[in-house]
Amino acid sequence: GDSVTQMEGPVTLSEEAFLTINCTYTATGYPSLFWYVQYPGEGLQLLLKATKADDKGSNKGFEATYRKETTSFHLEKGSVQVSDSAVYFCALTTSGGSNYKLTFGKGTLLTVNP
Amino acid sequence: DVKVTQSSRYLVKRTGEKVFLECVQDMDHENMFWYRQDPGLGLRLIYFSYDVKMKEKGDIPEGYSVSREKKERFSLILESASTNQTSMYLCASTPNRGYFQPQHFGDGTRLSIL
Repeated sequence: GDSVTQMEGPVTLSEEAFLTINCTYTATGYPSLFWYVQYPGEGLQLLLKATKADDKGSNKGFEATYRKETTSFHLEKGSVQVSDSAVYFCALTTSGGSNYKLTFGKGTLLTVNP
Repeated sequence: DVKVTQSSRYLVKRTGEKVFLECVQDMDHENMFWYRQDPGLGLRLIYFSYDVKMKEKGDIPEGYSVSREKKERFSLILESASTNQTSMYLCASTPNRGYFQPQHFGDGTRLSIL
């Protein structure tokens, strides 16, 4: 079956530090890949997505590149802010999956200190 | 923007009660989902629905049922609440326009069973 593995947190960084959160996947079909973010007390919001190999998703200074050869979709940001403190989820859905089901990683808690 | 509205942000119920969690979306999406979110376990799919009156079990359906009488509304029912159902519950929706479409989430209901 499909699965997503992302680096375990928590991750604590100082403001303006570089961020990488690793995400790898296994998929039965051809996956679309997503990063979602959950700010404290809120639901999940789509951060970025990529739907085919070598696509780069980007939003709010975050980037992730769909690497089919390494089955990875690592999230990066060059300079984090305190407001980026949140839980980040990597997820996928596949053409072979049923009814648009998402498979999530377990989430990575990021805390950014001033 | 898509709006997914969950009826309560916080809910406290007693063991054995029948509990209803309501979710409404305003974008005419065909697919709707209920997840629970627990620390260290990420998001787990309880049930989903791809059409009115249609439902499918997710990964952890035991102790839950669902109802979809209208396209915009998807209800999660705890038939006889138990303390191990204390959790954050998230509703999501997505259209039938390709598996690369992201899911849109509500803000969640934090349910406590005493």
